[in-house]
Amino acid sequence: DIQMTQSPSSLSASVGDRVTITCRASQSISSYLNWYQQKPGKAPNLLIYTASNLQSGVPSRFSGSGSGTDFTLTISSLQPEDFAVYYCQQTYSTPRTFGPGTKVEIK
Amino acid sequence: EVQLVESGGGLVQPGWSLRLSCAASGLTVSSNYMAWVRQAPGKGLEWVSVIYTSGSTFYADSVKGRFSISRDNSRNILYLQMNSLRAEDTAVYYCAREQVARRLIAGFDFWGQGTMVTVSS
Repeated sequence: DIQMTQSPSSLSASVGDRVTITCRASQSISSYLNWYQQKPGKAPNLLIYTASNLQSGVPSRFSGSGSGTDFTLTISSLQPEDFAVYYCQQTYSTPRTFGPGTKVEIK
Repeated sequence: EVQLVESGGGLVQPGWSLRLSCAASGLTVSSNYMAWVRQAPGKGLEWVSVIYTSGSTFYADSVKGRFSISRDNSRNILYLQMNSLRAEDTAVYYCAREQVARRLIAGFDFWGQGTMVTVSS
């Protein structure tokens, strides 16, 4: 199975900050990497698919990059509604593993 | 508008069975890759199972041999039959559509609201 790791596990940031979250796969997954945002009590929301494609309806301050084993989610200017947990997920193979999550908190 | 509505969760004892349903509207279950994802209280997301348009099914090792994913094409419903339930199966269970973009499997773009399953004596 492909293992996914994320760093950091949590971070504190202020509104307007640029935030970067990293995801690493245990083997190459090409560009089969997706990013989700989850707020308390809600289902996850797909932000970025296949590493760098912005899902319809998602603000352009979110971007993704990477390929192979190393990927990055960037929020260019953090907004109050962005405080949440972010997960990466590989869809290269089954099981479609998720990363452990990164909690973005208000500084 | 796409809607996925899960039902069937509840409190059961270890070893018991439960069947979850996911009623879909705005999309055809049999024409999509459909999956179940769970989240234990206070924990991260765990992929559980997927069923392809071909009918092929795949499972996480943690549920293999105990859970079964299926669909009713006439009723447009996705199911998850869960047998031999364990305390560690306690979670919110979500159904989700796995989108395909430019022939690439591209994440879960539609999710249900989730249904809680609690396994406890």
